[in-house]
Order: sequence, then C-alpha cells, then structure tokens
Amino acid sequence: EAAVTQSPRNKVAVTGGKVTLSCNQTNNHNNMYWYRQDTGHGLRLIHYSYGAGSTEKGDIPDGYKASRPSQENFSLILELATPSQTSVYFCASGAAGGGAETLYFGSGTRLTVL
Amino acid sequence: GEQVEQRPPHLSVREGDSAVITCTYTDPNSYYFFWYKQEPGASLQLLMKVFSSTEINEGQGFTVLLNKKDKRLSLNLTAAHPGDSAAYFCAVNRNNNNAPRFGAGTKLSVKP
Repeated sequence: EAAVTQSPRNKVAVTGGKVTLSCNQTNNHNNMYWYRQDTGHGLRLIHYSYGAGSTEKGDIPDGYKASRPSQENFSLILELATPSQTSVYFCASGAAGGGAETLYFGSGTRLTVL
Repeated sequence: GEQVEQRPPHLSVREGDSAVITCTYTDPNSYYFFWYKQEPGASLQLLMKVFSSTEINEGQGFTVLLNKKDKRLSLNLTAAHPGDSAAYFCAVNRNNNNAPRFGAGTKLSVKP
C-alpha cells in the first residue's frame, strides 16, 4: 500500500505570513501532486512534479510555489498567505504510467488563514 | 484545458435503492478515467478505473460505464447500503504523463 504523509494536519496562519505544507511518499513514485479541496469545486490542481527538481503549474498556481528537492518530498509554499487560501490541501503520488496511474493520497492538511 | 462536470452534487437514497453519478468531460484526448471514494473525514482512495470506450467495469457493487463518443462517464450503484455513504469523485487523464483532473464530487447519503 502506497504511503503518503502530509504535515502538518492542521495549520492556522495569519494573512501575509509564509506557510509551507510538506508531503513525503515512501513508494518511489515519480509523480507527485498538490490539490486543494473546496466545497462546490472538488479537487483543483495547484502544482505537480514528474520527479526530483521538476515542478509544473496546474490549473490554479497563482499564490503558490512548489518544491521537489527529492523523489520522496514535495512541498507547497504560500509566500504571502491570504484568507482565500483557506482550504483542505491534498498531496498525492503516482507511478508514471502515461496517464493510467492510480493516485495515492495523503490525509490532507486543513489550512486556515485569518 | 480539461473541464470535468459532475452531477449531482448531492444524492440521498434509501438502502437497496439504485444511484447514478455522471461526469462529462471536454477534452477529446482524455483516455483514462477513474472513480475515487472519500469517506467522511478521510482521504481519497481509488474505487474503480476504466480505460476503454463503452467498457463496463464492475466491482464492489458498482458499475462504471464509459461512453467516449458522448464524453460521459457514469458510476452506477444498483443496491445501495449505508456503508456506501461517502463522497465520490470522477477523475480524467490524457494518454501522456499529464495530471488527472477531478470533478466537483457527489456526496452520497444512504439511509437505512
């Protein structure tokens, strides 16, 4: 079973502050993803990565940066957090399979920006 | 980019009833299709996947139908039970190393 671990589980931040969400996977998957989940919108893709050193913009990248320093770790960075970024964030990993991959999700990080 | 529309957003049925959740997509290059289940307070887990046009995939009491001509994907539950209460998400991907796009989700409630 794929293991994807997110930290922290919950985070309260102030507007204008910097927030880093971390994700670690132990299955040697090449691909990793960050989504946010909001009521009425489902999961929206923020950034993704094909491997260490690579990051790609998803559908809603504004206000977010991503970092993939190693195969195992993928971070999402909010340099200047805003209340509109209050959401639940999910990290996922998948073995590169030309699109056929199953995604394995972490437990999510609930971020509140005050 | 790909637009995935999922209906209905909420669905409430009685135990033993059938339930149908439908997704439509816009990208004709979409090739791989998935359904994920999210139980309350938990993360998403793969429920089923289907790749071939008009393929029927059955398992765990669910049937997945894919019609590529109409760009429509459906998840059919023939006899719901309370343990099926969860949120269900469709996901669509192209036949390259792209990122899957998800529908907005359907919250299914099965009452005894």
